[in-house]
Amino acid sequence: AQSVSQHNHHVILSEAASLELGCNYSYGGTVNLFWYVQYPGQHLQLLLKYFSGDPLVKGIKGFEAEFIKSKFSFNLRKPSVQWSDTAEYFCAGKNYGGSQGNLIFGKGTKLSVKP
Amino acid sequence: ETGVTQSPTHLIKTRGQQVTLRCSSQSGHNTVSWYQQALGQGPQFIFQYYREEENGRGNFPPRFSGLQFPNYSSELNVNALELDDSALYLCASSLWGDYGYTFGSGTRLTVV
Repeated sequence: AQSVSQHNHHVILSEAASLELGCNYSYGGTVNLFWYVQYPGQHLQLLLKYFSGDPLVKGIKGFEAEFIKSKFSFNLRKPSVQWSDTAEYFCAGKNYGGSQGNLIFGKGTKLSVKP
Repeated sequence: ETGVTQSPTHLIKTRGQQVTLRCSSQSGHNTVSWYQQALGQGPQFIFQYYREEENGRGNFPPRFSGLQFPNYSSELNVNALELDDSALYLCASSLWGDYGYTFGSGTRLTVV
């Protein structure tokens, strides 16, 4: 079965530290991958997405992710985190062969940034 | 942009009852997807509606059903509620062919 897995349940960093959140997917075919962020009390927001082309994808708020096909990975990175980045982060992939809206989400990684 | 609005924000129901959740899609969007997010889990796809018809379905039983209206708003209906149906229900809208999904803030359903 297709799946998306996130390695870390909870990550705690100090401000200005670098961030890398892991995401692995397990399905073949056309790959459409996403990172979403959910700030406390708010709705899911799209950070970035990868469909094809340059495997290094830049998103909003200084985030980027790299698609590495050989490792089935799509890790999220940010060189220097801020307290305002405290949120839950979800990696997702489109369910290959499924309908347009059928995304498979990982369980999420909660990021806490200490001021 | 008006965003996606969901109602109600919170709901408590008794096991065996039925519930209807509502979603207004973002202006200009014609496709609606519904997700269930249990505590500590990522959202799970329930189904999608396009042109007022179900266009894809996840691994959910038939007691989960939906509707889409001509104005693209949508309802999620759950019959014979079970305790495990307690979750946050998310609605996401998009334009058909575009993967720019906009999520609502969700309805928190508690079944007692």
